[in-house]
Amino acid sequence: EAGVAQSPRYKIIEKRQSVAFWCNPISGHATLYWYQQILGQGPKLLIQFQNNGVVDDSQLPKDRFSAERLKGVDSTLKIQPAKLEDSAVYLCASSLVATGVEQYFGPGTRLTVT
Amino acid sequence: KQEVTQIPAALSVPEGENLVLNCSFTDSAIYNLQWFRQDPGKGLTSLLLIQSSQREQTSGRLNASLDKSSGRSTLYIAASQPGDSATYLCAVSPGTASKLTFGTGTRLQVTL
Repeated sequence: EAGVAQSPRYKIIEKRQSVAFWCNPISGHATLYWYQQILGQGPKLLIQFQNNGVVDDSQLPKDRFSAERLKGVDSTLKIQPAKLEDSAVYLCASSLVATGVEQYFGPGTRLTVT
Repeated sequence: KQEVTQIPAALSVPEGENLVLNCSFTDSAIYNLQWFRQDPGKGLTSLLLIQSSQREQTSGRLNASLDKSSGRSTLYIAASQPGDSATYLCAVSPGTASKLTFGTGTRLQVTL
């Protein structure tokens, strides 16, 4: 079974530029999550989708971050414009159902904002 | 607001030792607790999932226990190996949603 796929793996941009990350969850997984992991910290949830609807985006900085999940499968996370403090690893995860089931994580995208 | 703490932040042990990693959480109303492993530059690998009705889970040399009333979980690793070197993260999920709240992790190094 293929795992969660993410691209790109690494990205370096200057502050105020824009960037987009892509995630393809495990086939059949209805729930998709984007987490931000700053160096030395645990991951923090940015947004959770159930199929193509948003379940939780309470910690998403909506003035600069946006995410969408078209057709309930792939998802993109965008940052515009980027700030220095956005430097982090962005992890995508998926699970079969919304409660009580393991989350499976992709390899992440390491973003460096200079 | 749920807060998850992991102690110690870093640990170095010689190969073959048994060791315990600790995780504590402030809100005992959790649905499940999950232990992950993270290798440098990699994503998270799920090690063990403990549902709220369970007290422990075992997989190979790993054993995780959960005590909801005291807000604690431990991950026991038996006969440690250099390949166990990684950062170990615990995460809890609230009763009615699957959002995970993570600790900051324990960085483990197993030396030859």
